This record gives sequence, C-alpha cells and structure tokens, in this order.
Amino acid sequence: DFQMTQSPSSLSASVGDRVSITCRASQSISLYLNWYQQKPGKAPKLLIYGTSNLQSGVPSRFSGSGSGIDFTLTISSLQPEDFATYYCHQSYSTPWTFGQGTKVEIK
Amino acid sequence: QVQLQESGPGLVKPSETLALTCTVSGGSNSNNYWSWIRQPPGKGLQWIGYVYNNGRTNYSPSLESRVTISVDTSKNQFSLKVRSLTAADTAVYYCARGDDSSWLSFDYWGQGILVTVSS
Repeated sequence: DFQMTQSPSSLSASVGDRVSITCRASQSISLYLNWYQQKPGKAPKLLIYGTSNLQSGVPSRFSGSGSGIDFTLTISSLQPEDFATYYCHQSYSTPWTFGQGTKVEIK
Repeated sequence: QVQLQESGPGLVKPSETLALTCTVSGGSNSNNYWSWIRQPPGKGLQWIGYVYNNGRTNYSPSLESRVTISVDTSKNQFSLKVRSLTAADTAVYYCARGDDSSWLSFDYWGQGILVTVSS
C-alpha cells in the first residue's frame, strides 16, 4: 500500500495567515494527489485534484504543488471559513489511501 | 449537479451484514468509479472499494474478504455489503464518485450515514 503522511497533524493560525500543509507518499505517485477539506459533521469537499488543479468553485487562495512523493497545499490568506480538517489522497494505485488529516484551528 | 444519497440502517448487530445503497441523481458518465469510504468517529478516512460503470470492482485488501460492492445502472444506484460486522466497523459511511477525467479524485460525495454496530 502507498502510505500517506501529512504534517503537521494540527496547526493554529490567524485570519490572513499563509498556511502550508505537506503530504509525503511512501513511493512515487506521479501527480495523482488530491486534497479535501472537511468540516465537522460534513462530507469531505474536493479542493485540488491532480496535485495542482483547482476544483470548480473553490477559491483561488487554495493552491497545490509537488510531484513524486512530496506535495503541498497552500492557503494564501486564511479566511474564517477555512478552519477545518484537510486530507490528502493518492489515486495513483489501489488501495487508494488518505493522509491522517491536518486540523487547522483558530489562533 | 450530481447528487449522491446513502440509505440503510443506522444500527446493526455484531456478526450481521450491513447493506447500504447510494442513489445517484443529476447525471454520470462512463468514466466513473463509484466508491465507498468510511470514517470511524473522530478518525480519518478509509477507502473501502469501488465499482466501475461496467461492474468491475476493486476492494481494499484489509476489507476484501468481507465486502461486496455492486451497481444497478437501471436504478442509478450502487450498493455496499459488509459481512461479519464488529464494533470496529462503526463509522460514517460515505458514497462518492471518482472520475478519471479529474485524476480519479472524489468530486461528489453523499452526506454520509452513521452506522453503529452494537447489540
């Protein structure tokens, strides 16, 4: 299986901050890396697919980068509605796997 | 707009079989991988498996011996069965659409259904 490791597991930040979350794969997954946002009691929402493609309707303050084994989700200016848990997901090889999640909290 | 909706029991007894259905509305295409994903309370996401539009399936090895996913295209539904349930199967179960035009990401999700395994 392809193991996905996110860091940090949690972070505290203020509105307006630039925030980055990293995801490392145990083996190369090319560009098959996707990012989701999940709020309490809700289903995950797709933010970024294929490493850097912004899903329709997602604000442009979200961006993704990387390739191979190292990937990054960046929020350029954190907004109140961005406080949530973020998951990376590799779709390169089954079993498809997720990172353990990064909780973004208000500082 | 594609919508997915899970249905099924919220409480199941240990050793029994869970059966869930996901109803899809708003359209689909031939390149869809219909997946089930679960999330134990307070924990992360676990992919269970998918059924492709042609009925081909792929399961997580950790669950493969107990899981069956099937599709009924005439009803716009796909289903999950999990056998020999234990308390460890207690989770929110989501159905989701994977699309190979968007790098097999899950672009549409159901709202989720909490399934508790308890006697």
